[in-house]
Amino acid sequence: NAGVTQTPKFRVLKTGQSMTLLCAQDMNHEYMYWYRQDPGMGLRLIHYSVGEGTTAKGEVPDGYNVSRLKKQNFLLGLESAAPSQTSVYFCASSYIFGGVNTGELFFGEGSRLTVL
Amino acid sequence: AQSVTQLGSHVSVSEGALVLLRCNYSSSVPPYLFWYVQYPNQGLQLLLKYTSAATLVKGINGFEAEFKKSETSFHLTKPSAHMSDAAEYFCAVSEGENAGGTSYGKLTFGQGTILTVHP
Repeated sequence: NAGVTQTPKFRVLKTGQSMTLLCAQDMNHEYMYWYRQDPGMGLRLIHYSVGEGTTAKGEVPDGYNVSRLKKQNFLLGLESAAPSQTSVYFCASSYIFGGVNTGELFFGEGSRLTVL
Repeated sequence: AQSVTQLGSHVSVSEGALVLLRCNYSSSVPPYLFWYVQYPNQGLQLLLKYTSAATLVKGINGFEAEFKKSETSFHLTKPSAHMSDAAEYFCAVSEGENAGGTSYGKLTFGQGTILTVHP
């Protein structure tokens, strides 16, 4: 019953360093997403993917890149971390039913990133 | 464009009392609406969803929500609060099927409401 797994769960970076967050899902879902959660702001969509090899920008994409080389994995990269990227990052996946994305998201447990 | 406003960042109730968490939305097309719950140090999980069928939607753990188009609201209720209901609750909206299925499940979330339950 793994569902959506995120690694690492915690990371501390210095300004300017780079890192990659890995998301893996074992439900064969077509869609995957990266959100960031900040106090009082809910969750905001960074990037998303509607299938292997395709990605698109969400609401707050600046400073992030993503890749989906395999259907089950969705990677989020920070090329040059900034303190404003201190946040909790959530990966999620969703499926198609009757040809329509239901919008029901399955979330990982989050990755807490601190940029000093 | 779509947006969600949750009225009240913190709600406190006594155990056994009614829970009412308010959510208003705006959407240019008929929406899908959701309530998610987040327990401490966990990801979000779906409580219930409205996808243009019955306007009164029942979810897990005794929660329900009513879609009121005239009021653009989707408030979450539970008749009797339990200590285990203490968590943060998020209302979310996405474009519904009239968008041609192109919404790709992209949700817009509200700011969240922290529910505290007192003994």
